[in-house]
Amino acid sequence: DTAVSQTPKYLVTQMGNDKSIKCEQNLGHDTMYWYKQDSKKFLKIMFSYNNKELIINETVPNRFSPKSPDKAHLNLHINSLELGDSAVYFCASSQVQRSYNEQFFGPGTRLTVL
Amino acid sequence: GESVGLHLPTLSVQEGDNSIINCAYSNSASDYFIWYKQESGKGPQFIIDIRSNMDKRQGQRVTVLLNKTVKHLSLQIAATQPGDSAVYFCAEGVQGAQKLVFGQGTRLTINP
Repeated sequence: DTAVSQTPKYLVTQMGNDKSIKCEQNLGHDTMYWYKQDSKKFLKIMFSYNNKELIINETVPNRFSPKSPDKAHLNLHINSLELGDSAVYFCASSQVQRSYNEQFFGPGTRLTVL
Repeated sequence: GESVGLHLPTLSVQEGDNSIINCAYSNSASDYFIWYKQESGKGPQFIIDIRSNMDKRQGQRVTVLLNKTVKHLSLQIAATQPGDSAVYFCAEGVQGAQKLVFGQGTRLTINP
């Protein structure tokens, strides 16, 4: 049983299109995250939601809009895709009410913008 | 800005040897550190963590050392195996905070 799942695993699309990536966690965690990993493997946080409330927004263009319908889901919608959006996007979750924040990651979605 | 580790080095070791992966962190307030392993095509996986009130923590074949004086963290892998090939990330955080800051990673390759 996958703890943190993402769909799709691969996404290839044209510049200017709008696309969504979905994430679900079955760990009962209260906090979910989106990270972007570039071609040099640098992993940078984009957003964090705690109990459906946006907590962290790390200077991400407003073409990126996260949506959390419930605390088990955090979807990422991207408008007007650009070449520079090509990357691997990871969803993660954690239980922040515990003192220390061990995050569990999904398998990633490789986005390629042509 | 914040940074944890400044490079993406590659470490190449012989199978059976010990591996040591290093990480520098910059936030003196960080009190929690994690090592993650990322295999090709997969998401990062938790390996081991350490809190700032400790200098050393051991797991199965792995040991993490923390030197707060010089803000340095290391991961030691004993008897390295082919399955250890991956990119290893250190991450730092503060108790009760939601944000982890990740280093750029070290690629570990195993020579047969």
